[in-house]
Amino acid sequence: DARVTQTPRDKVTEMGQEVTMRCQPILGHNTVFWYRQTMMQGLELLAYFRNRAPLDDSGMPKDRFSAEMPDATLATLKIQPSEPRDSAVYFCASGLDNQPQHFGDGTRLSIL
Amino acid sequence: AQRVTQPEKLLSVFKGAPVELKCNYSYSGSPELFWYVQYSRQRLQLLLRHISRESIKGFTADLNKGETSFHLKKPFAQEEDSAMYYCALIANQAGTALIFGKGTTLSVSS
Repeated sequence: DARVTQTPRDKVTEMGQEVTMRCQPILGHNTVFWYRQTMMQGLELLAYFRNRAPLDDSGMPKDRFSAEMPDATLATLKIQPSEPRDSAVYFCASGLDNQPQHFGDGTRLSIL
Repeated sequence: AQRVTQPEKLLSVFKGAPVELKCNYSYSGSPELFWYVQYSRQRLQLLLRHISRESIKGFTADLNKGETSFHLKKPFAQEEDSAMYYCALIANQAGTALIFGKGTTLSVSS
């Protein structure tokens, strides 16, 4: 059963530190999505890629967040510098064209 | 603008009772609608897709274009159904992102 793999599963760090979250999409999928889940806002789209090209990152605070796909097997989401309000669960999902997206287990991020 | 509305943040029912989780959407074209479920501290999993017209774990959902709704229903709730349920849509373009509602927590007690 193919799965989207996210690392780390949990991350606790201090305000101001750089945070890097990684995602390995399902082999063969050509779309990758980053979502943020909080109690207040629910699931928000941060960025997504199609065939490794960024299509939409309008949901992402540009001054501190960046998303990249260095190759087809790796997507990264970086926060620098991190702030307490960034504390959330970050989900990566991958898909193939208009097929349903498959989600990873998420990274639970706590910024102290 | 595309939007998904789940009016109930929490729905509490007793085991064996019918369940209906409401979802309304706004989109001018022909969207594709989904229900995702998230059990405690787990990943989101696809539960239903409207074009499949299937029943999963006893749940069904019918797309009502006139009312722009895609409510999730189950005739007899079970305790293991307790989870967060998200309604989502994709605009009718290949490979675009899901737009989620804010989710409804279903709590089923005995």
